[in-house]
Amino acid sequence: AQTVTQSQPEMSVQEAETVTLSCTYDTSENNYYLFWYKQPPSRQMILVIRQEAYKQQNATENRFSVNFQKAAKSFSLKISDSQLGDTAMYFCAFMKKLEYGNKLVFGAGTILRVKS
Amino acid sequence: DAGITQSPRHKVTETGTPVTLRCHQTENHRYMYWYRQDPGHGLRLIHYSYGVKDTDKGEVSDGYSVSRSKTEDFLLTLESATSSQTSVYFCAISESRSVSDEQFFGPGTRLTVL
Repeated sequence: AQTVTQSQPEMSVQEAETVTLSCTYDTSENNYYLFWYKQPPSRQMILVIRQEAYKQQNATENRFSVNFQKAAKSFSLKISDSQLGDTAMYFCAFMKKLEYGNKLVFGAGTILRVKS
Repeated sequence: DAGITQSPRHKVTETGTPVTLRCHQTENHRYMYWYRQDPGHGLRLIHYSYGVKDTDKGEVSDGYSVSRSKTEDFLLTLESATSSQTSVYFCAISESRSVSDEQFFGPGTRLTVL
């Protein structure tokens, strides 16, 4: 089965601190992309960062970076200098090919609360 | 922001009634998707479309049907709603089927089946 596991249902962090969200996945694909999506209370799904499995260099987007360990099938998200606006549900996902398209395979999500 | 709208945004209905959710895009993207979001499951694919009149099933397609008669519209129908279909429904679009292509999501529809 191709799955994504997020082992932390909820986390909290103080404003300006750093937090890491964990994600492990299982896929038989050779070439795949991994994604982190953010879902704030507005419910909108927002792409935070993506990583190509063939690239060893970890992706970064401003305060967001990943630690991608391909052999361990681990894809954690680090948020530096946490801000109140980072409070959201965070989903880890990978893209799986289907017969005529693709689908995102999501984990169950981690609720992150940033405290002032 | 990608131009994706969903209607209605909220709906309460009764068991056994038919329900249709609409997704409308202004991006002219070929691929459109319907996902449902449930606690403990993240988002799961219901159906997707790879062109006008071309659709295929996802992993949780039982009890749902879809139609796409125009590039910009993708309809999701619950023929006879059940309480297990209470969920938040998201439409998504993508330009191609490359695994690197981002899927852009609509704002979601919260459906409650009583």
